[in-house]
Amino acid sequence: KAGVTQTPRYLIKTRGQQVTLSCSPISGHRSVSWYQQTPGQGLQFLFEYFSETQRNKGNFPGRFSGRQFSNSRSEMNVSTLELGDSALYLCASSLGGAVYGYTFGSGTRLTVV
Amino acid sequence: AQSVTQLDSHVSVSEGTPVLLRCNYSSSYSPSLFWYVQHPNKGLQLLLKYTSAATLVKGINGFEAEFKKSETSFHLTKPSAHMSDAAEYFCVVSDPTANFGNEKLTFGTGTRLTIIP
Repeated sequence: KAGVTQTPRYLIKTRGQQVTLSCSPISGHRSVSWYQQTPGQGLQFLFEYFSETQRNKGNFPGRFSGRQFSNSRSEMNVSTLELGDSALYLCASSLGGAVYGYTFGSGTRLTVV
Repeated sequence: AQSVTQLDSHVSVSEGTPVLLRCNYSSSYSPSLFWYVQHPNKGLQLLLKYTSAATLVKGINGFEAEFKKSETSFHLTKPSAHMSDAAEYFCVVSDPTANFGNEKLTFGTGTRLTIIP
């Protein structure tokens, strides 16, 4: 079966712009989580959606937002990009929680110049 | 609050020798624990998970881990290293909250495993 699909794979944006990243979970998975990976901070939790509702949120500024659609696909938006937002953004899907495990996509590598 | 500590940032072993990657956790609840592997420029692949069933967990590619509550450890082992095992490994803890499924994952800082031919 198809895995978690993240698009695009690579992005280059300019400071001050905004960006939208997309994640399509495994069919039947209703939970989608987003993580930011940087060399300095490692992997950090951004937020998690379940059935179109944000259930959990990490410690990121309000410039980072997300949403989930009725088909469980999720988007993440970052407004007013800063150089420090350059990172690999990973999406993970799950049937509904830790006991089921999480499947990660290959990520979107965002470079802010 | 939950946290996880990977005790070694870098481990080097010779091909064919055992692998040991160490992880200690801290959790207020009965935790779920995972090991993920990340190959260069790739996403994270689940190796194995512990969710309060058997304390010795077998995963893919010959890896296994043992949950030891008294030592708050969840070390990853493999009897014989292969060149394809070279990657970054992450120990991950998830605390269940009052609402089932409403967990977030807390990652360790990673251990880079190098295999010497």
